[in-house]
Amino acid sequence: DTEVTQTPKHLVMGMTNKKSLKCEQHMGHRAMYWYKQKAKKPPELMFVYSYEKLSINESVPSRFSPECPNSSLLNLHLHALQPEDSALYLCASSQDPGPNQPQHFGDGTRLSIL
Amino acid sequence: DAKTTQPPSMDCAEGRAANLPCNHSTISGNEYVYWYRQIHSQGPQYIIHGLKNNETNEMASLIITEDRKSSTLILPHATLRDTAVYYCIVNSGGGADGLTFGKGTHLIIQP
Repeated sequence: DTEVTQTPKHLVMGMTNKKSLKCEQHMGHRAMYWYKQKAKKPPELMFVYSYEKLSINESVPSRFSPECPNSSLLNLHLHALQPEDSALYLCASSQDPGPNQPQHFGDGTRLSIL
Repeated sequence: DAKTTQPPSMDCAEGRAANLPCNHSTISGNEYVYWYRQIHSQGPQYIIHGLKNNETNEMASLIITEDRKSSTLILPHATLRDTAVYYCIVNSGGGADGLTFGKGTHLIIQP
């Protein structure tokens, strides 16, 4: 069982739709992350939030828009996605952005773009 | 780019110890070695991490060489549920830098 909860588990959307992915943790963690994982590839970092502020954006296209409304919640807003954006989107959290803090992952949202 | 090198795949018999090697010859003094695994259709699962000393927890043991250029993850009594992709990651900036995953080792536990 994971302590990082991601919803929905599966999402199918058209290229003109707007949707959001949600991630919650109630472990009091102050760093949260979005990763993207294509089939048979390792996860790739997209965004890092540290104390509710965006600290890293790994040159992600603007059609992906992250939001951290509070310390427990992380959203990823999607708009005008392309078929190549189909992937597993993983959220993770860590106690704080220190070097000795492991990240805890959710089981992801599997996104398909039609 | 990932700073680690791992064999792409390994087999291990159920009940035996699984020893997964990782090379990180360019590791810096402040960089930790982390191990995660990913079972099919699940998110990565944290296993263990260390800086210089060997570490052990309920899941595994981590052996880091004295020069810190390589490490070995040991699963003492492998079960079929340990079949997964195992990632060795070197992490220096702390969580704030995020993790850079390499290709990992696909460990297959044979009955």
